[in-house]
Amino acid sequence: DADVTQTPRNRITKTGKRIMLECSQTKGHDRMYWYRQDPGLGLRLIYYSFDVKDINKGEISDGYSVSRQAQAKFSLSLESAIPNQTALYFCATSDPRLRGPQDTQYFGPGTRLTVL
Amino acid sequence: AQTVTQSQPEMSVQEAETVTLSCTYDTSESDYYLFWYKQPPSRQMILVIRQEAYKQQNATENRFSVNFQKAAKSFSLKISDSQLGDAAMYFCAYRSEGGTSYGKLTFGQGTILTVHP
Repeated sequence: DADVTQTPRNRITKTGKRIMLECSQTKGHDRMYWYRQDPGLGLRLIYYSFDVKDINKGEISDGYSVSRQAQAKFSLSLESAIPNQTALYFCATSDPRLRGPQDTQYFGPGTRLTVL
Repeated sequence: AQTVTQSQPEMSVQEAETVTLSCTYDTSESDYYLFWYKQPPSRQMILVIRQEAYKQQNATENRFSVNFQKAAKSFSLKISDSQLGDAAMYFCAYRSEGGTSYGKLTFGQGTILTVHP
């Protein structure tokens, strides 16, 4: 089973709709992140959470909100979707106590979101 | 704020040959990590190699190695004996190790690598 899962994997929605992307992890990591990937721009950080009570905005948080329901779950919401939020969305986790090759972010499989 | 630049949108290489992907970054920090991630068509983000800024020795992982030039703020990835399975998008990433940015990754724009048989 995958350590970091995202649901749905693909989603098509309409402008103005509210949509939630979910992320779950079994790695036991405290830190979780949401990124969006756009062609030519790489991945950009939307929100991040260093523990259940700590949520922070990333560089492109406008139009998004998040909820950290538990250590293992971190959801991203688009309150009123717009076409320029069409992108590939990634959830990631990390543990700052890890060292060596494990000291990295672990990514989910991504969610392809299309807003019409 | 830190920035990461990958100036090569696309690169190609013949199978079994060597290719180098470029990455430059801008930071005022002295303590940081650098990473190369691979994203094949499956979309999965796969860590290829990591480099600690305080280490002078360049990191190596099998056919993958880096040329880390701290003063020049350059971090290139060399793939030796290229294989068809190396075809993917490659991202360079920077991670802060201090202050309010601790632990966050900043990515470059990506380089699409094509491997020709």
